[in-house]
Amino acid sequence: DAGVTQSPTHLIKTRGQQVTLRCSPKSGHDTVSWYQQALGQGPQFIFQYYEEEERQRGNFPDRFSGHQFPNYSSELNVNALLLGDSALYLCASSTGTSAHTQYFGPGTRLTVL
Amino acid sequence: EDQVTQSPEALRLQEGESSSLNCSYTVSGLRGLFWYRQDPGKGPEFLFTLYSAGEEKEKERLKATLTKKESFLHITAPKPEDSATYLCAASGGSYIPTFGRGTSLIVHP
Repeated sequence: DAGVTQSPTHLIKTRGQQVTLRCSPKSGHDTVSWYQQALGQGPQFIFQYYEEEERQRGNFPDRFSGHQFPNYSSELNVNALLLGDSALYLCASSTGTSAHTQYFGPGTRLTVL
Repeated sequence: EDQVTQSPEALRLQEGESSSLNCSYTVSGLRGLFWYRQDPGKGPEFLFTLYSAGEEKEKERLKATLTKKESFLHITAPKPEDSATYLCAASGGSYIPTFGRGTSLIVHP
């Protein structure tokens, strides 16, 4: 049973560029949530996708956007990158928007220079 | 606003020395309290979900308990491979978990 997968593993970008991160949920899951985790901090919720729509959003600017595809996979896009966007980006999957347990992928380490 | 506070920030134990990690939460209408283990540079690994005060769950050397204001992760006779950061999260009415900053555990052989 495949768990949550994310790509790429690592990414280096410069300020002002745009980046796209990808996530495939655990088999049987239909909901994807994205988190940003800075060094030494807990994960911070960015947004959640269900039925190809953004259902909930955390306190992140609209430079952060996403998409969910019919096969439940998801993308996170960040425009106009800032140095402060450097972090580990985590994708978590679950079943339904009221599911309690989320399972995380290995993350994408984004470095902005 | 939902809040989760974990203590201590860091904990060093000798192999076999049992201890507990604390997670205090302030959440409107708790829907679930979660514990994850995270190794450096990796994604969090799910350990437990607790739903109501008095509930307990166990897995190998780990046992999680829940009261109305806090949760404890008890580690019995830890081994060096238990070294990791342990994250606690709580979800309320929005079902979106709020995470604490974690407790970094190091177990010395």
